[in-house]
Amino acid sequence: EAQVTQNPRYLITVTGKKLTVTCSQNMNHEYMSWYRQDPGLGLRQIYYSMNVEVTDKGDVPEGYKVSRKEKRNFPLILESPSPNQTSLYFCASSLWVVAGGENEQFFGPGTRLTVL
Amino acid sequence: ELKVEQNPLFLSMQEGKNYTIYCNYSTTSDRLYWYRQDPGKSLESLFVLLSNGAVKQEGRLMASLDTKARLSTLHITAAVHDLSATYFCAVALSWGAGTKLIIKP
Repeated sequence: EAQVTQNPRYLITVTGKKLTVTCSQNMNHEYMSWYRQDPGLGLRQIYYSMNVEVTDKGDVPEGYKVSRKEKRNFPLILESPSPNQTSLYFCASSLWVVAGGENEQFFGPGTRLTVL
Repeated sequence: ELKVEQNPLFLSMQEGKNYTIYCNYSTTSDRLYWYRQDPGKSLESLFVLLSNGAVKQEGRLMASLDTKARLSTLHITAAVHDLSATYFCAVALSWGAGTKLIIKP
């Protein structure tokens, strides 16, 4: 089954304790992205990656890191989480660079993070 | 910078009524997306509109695109409770704020 998976789905942690949220897709997509969703603010892009070893900042990259060592995986790293990073996080992927394709994004199930 | 604006941001309506959600965007783009998000769930793709005049329909939802006006509409016909969700439009990598739709029996 074609899908985007994220782990963990729920996480409660404390300020300053490094964490990683994993994201994996099995559709051979080139483009992957992380978003955070907060009430009243819609979806905001954190980082995105056009291909392996190619990453770029989105709208709200502060406090986050990413890496793209393999095509299928795009982990989100919070080196020193703070309470303002409490949010719902989504990973997404698409065949972004395919000309003429519809290239819609496929979203993971979401990770609800609480930083105390 | 590409800006995407949706309106309304919140809509409460009765079953059986028709309504339209609007999505305006600020610069030229060759594709526009509509997504649906159920409460507490992820987003799923509804429609991809690739050209001026494109119209797509699925069930009670119909989406259209006017690239000259930089406007897309999502029309709901004879709404039913199951269509209650938040609807997002996206242009390239920019997202609208979402329209929360509540349909009352």
